[in-house]
Amino acid sequence: DIQMTQSPSSLSASVGDRVTITCRASQSISSYLNWYHHKPGQAPRLLIFAASGLQSGVPSRFSGSGSGTDFTLTISSLQPEDFASYYCQQSYSTPWTFGQGTKVEIK
Amino acid sequence: EVQLVESGGGLVKPGESLTLSCAASGFTFSIAWMSWVRQAPGKGLEWVGRIKSKTDGGTTEYAAPVKGRFTISRDDSKTTLFLHMNSLKTEDTAVYYCTTDSRLRHLGYYYYGLDVWGRGTTVTVSS
Repeated sequence: DIQMTQSPSSLSASVGDRVTITCRASQSISSYLNWYHHKPGQAPRLLIFAASGLQSGVPSRFSGSGSGTDFTLTISSLQPEDFASYYCQQSYSTPWTFGQGTKVEIK
Repeated sequence: EVQLVESGGGLVKPGESLTLSCAASGFTFSIAWMSWVRQAPGKGLEWVGRIKSKTDGGTTEYAAPVKGRFTISRDDSKTTLFLHMNSLKTEDTAVYYCTTDSRLRHLGYYYYGLDVWGRGTTVTVSS
């Protein structure tokens, strides 16, 4: 199985900050990398697919980059609704596997 | 409106069985590939398994921790997805989400993404 490792596990930031989360795969996954946003009690939401594709309806402050084994999710200006957990997920081969998550908290 | 609504969660004892349902609406369920994902208390997201559409063979795949104990099925006439869980263990305690496992196009290529999710149903396995 492909292992996904995210960093950091958590971070504190303020509204308006630029935030970057990284994800590393245990083997090359080309651009088969997705990012999700999840708040407790809510449905997870797909933000980015194919490493850099912005899912329909997702604000443009979210962007993704990378290929091979190293990937990045960037939030250009953090908004109050962005305080949540973020997960990367590889869609290169089943079983689909997720990173352990990054919790973005209010500073 | 595209919607997935899970139901059937509850408290069961180790070794018992439980079936979860996921009612779909707002999209053509019969051609959708569907996955189940779970989140144990204090843990991250974990993929449980997937079922393809009948037109694509209707085959299923499972994560190692549930293979042989869980079965995913679908009733396209009722636009409903099921997760049949047998021999439940305490480590199966989690919120279970159903999600569409969709082919999404980007820069001329297709990629898979879990793009529509339900709010989840809670399964607690405890003696």
